[in-house]
Amino acid sequence: AQTVTQSQPEMSVQEAETVTLSCTYDTSENNYYLFWYKQPPSRQMILVIRQEAYKQQNATENRFSVNFQKAAKSFSLKISDSQLGDTAMYFCAFTGGSEKLVFGKGTKLTVNP
Amino acid sequence: GAGVSQTPSNKVTEKGKYVELRCDPISGHTALYWYRQSLGQGPEFLIYFQGTGAADDSGLPNDRFFAVRPEGSVSTLKIQRTERGDSAVYLCASRLNQGNTEAFFGQGTRLTVV
Repeated sequence: AQTVTQSQPEMSVQEAETVTLSCTYDTSENNYYLFWYKQPPSRQMILVIRQEAYKQQNATENRFSVNFQKAAKSFSLKISDSQLGDTAMYFCAFTGGSEKLVFGKGTKLTVNP
Repeated sequence: GAGVSQTPSNKVTEKGKYVELRCDPISGHTALYWYRQSLGQGPEFLIYFQGTGAADDSGLPNDRFFAVRPEGSVSTLKIQRTERGDSAVYLCASRLNQGNTEAFFGQGTRLTVV
């Protein structure tokens, strides 16, 4: 069974600074996808960034980038130039051949002015 | 519609009652998913539809939970004899098709069983 672990229940960062959220996962599959989702108080899950396991190059989306270490089964999210609007819950998620997403427990990120 | 729509936004029901939660996916999306998010947890998979059929219902916790998607669009999650432990946010997501296309989520229904 696949599992996703987020070891940081809460994180905080000053506006304009950089923060890294950690995620590890466990799977026996070779082809899979990893995601970071943002969930603001509105409850809607918003895709931040995704990574295909077969791609060695780390994904980037504007201020968001990942550090994907396949051998270590690690998938961390780096947020640069943090903004107040980045305050939210962040969930790491995995999907393999079964179609369903497996989520971690989340990290609550607070960006302080 | 422009996004995934879930109704109602909030539902309070008494223990033992029956509830229905509705999900309107993005038009044309063939894949539809239900997840349950308990307080302080990440979403947990319940069921996945491809078209009208349930392709994977392995996440349904027991036979009090049932979901349908009769015309391959709108889906209804049905919970019989609700229990206080069913209190959670129920999230729906849709995808254009199978595979690695992005899943879009609705804002969920917060169910409270009193």
